[in-house]
Amino acid sequence: DTAVSQTPKYLVTQMGNDKSIKCEQNLGHDTMYWYKQDSKKFLKIMFSYNNKELIINETVPNRFSPKSPDKAHLNLHINSLELGDSAVYFCASSQFKNYGYTFGSGTRLTVV
Amino acid sequence: EDQVTQSPEALRLQEGESSSLNCSYTVSGLRGLFWYRQDPGKGPEFLFTLYSAGEEKEKERLKATLTKKESFLHITAPKPEDSATYLCAVQANYGGATNKLIFGTGTLLAVQP
Repeated sequence: DTAVSQTPKYLVTQMGNDKSIKCEQNLGHDTMYWYKQDSKKFLKIMFSYNNKELIINETVPNRFSPKSPDKAHLNLHINSLELGDSAVYFCASSQFKNYGYTFGSGTRLTVV
Repeated sequence: EDQVTQSPEALRLQEGESSSLNCSYTVSGLRGLFWYRQDPGKGPEFLFTLYSAGEEKEKERLKATLTKKESFLHITAPKPEDSATYLCAVQANYGGATNKLIFGTGTLLAVQP
């Protein structure tokens, strides 16, 4: 009965590979987000979708491509992974304009 | 530019020793200030939302207050289970009706028994 679930929890991969992270929420929220948390614990928004529509697209390399097949799912695909992509990626959801976000438990991506 | 600064970066307290965490912010038109708690290996957990100066919210040993330039998270008689990273975030306008949360870098709190 997890509210926001992300898979995988850990991801170790080599430079140049392509990988995906999946997120699902069962809260009935209409807005989902991807945040990146660096080694200093700084959380920075990457993307947001509202009812499958992209509404926030921060300055992120175009190697990162989000996709929302429906309002309960938000995936993140990363092409040509680089060392600097190593971080923890969090998915979150909320009702639009209500910012009591619910976060997933994160995906720790390590690029070697 | 919208910005959130938290201090101190780390705080070590003895059990029962009350203290406060600070979050100062610069944002064009505050729409909400949020406090989250993050345990190691987990996602941030929502604690409070404050919307206007003078507002206060309480939950167990935690009390959040808000002024026009900063927010405080007061921890009264903390216990070891209060040890975590506490994150502050402000709701900022992204464009049109869309808003986004801008986070500070957090305060790592350790409460010693």
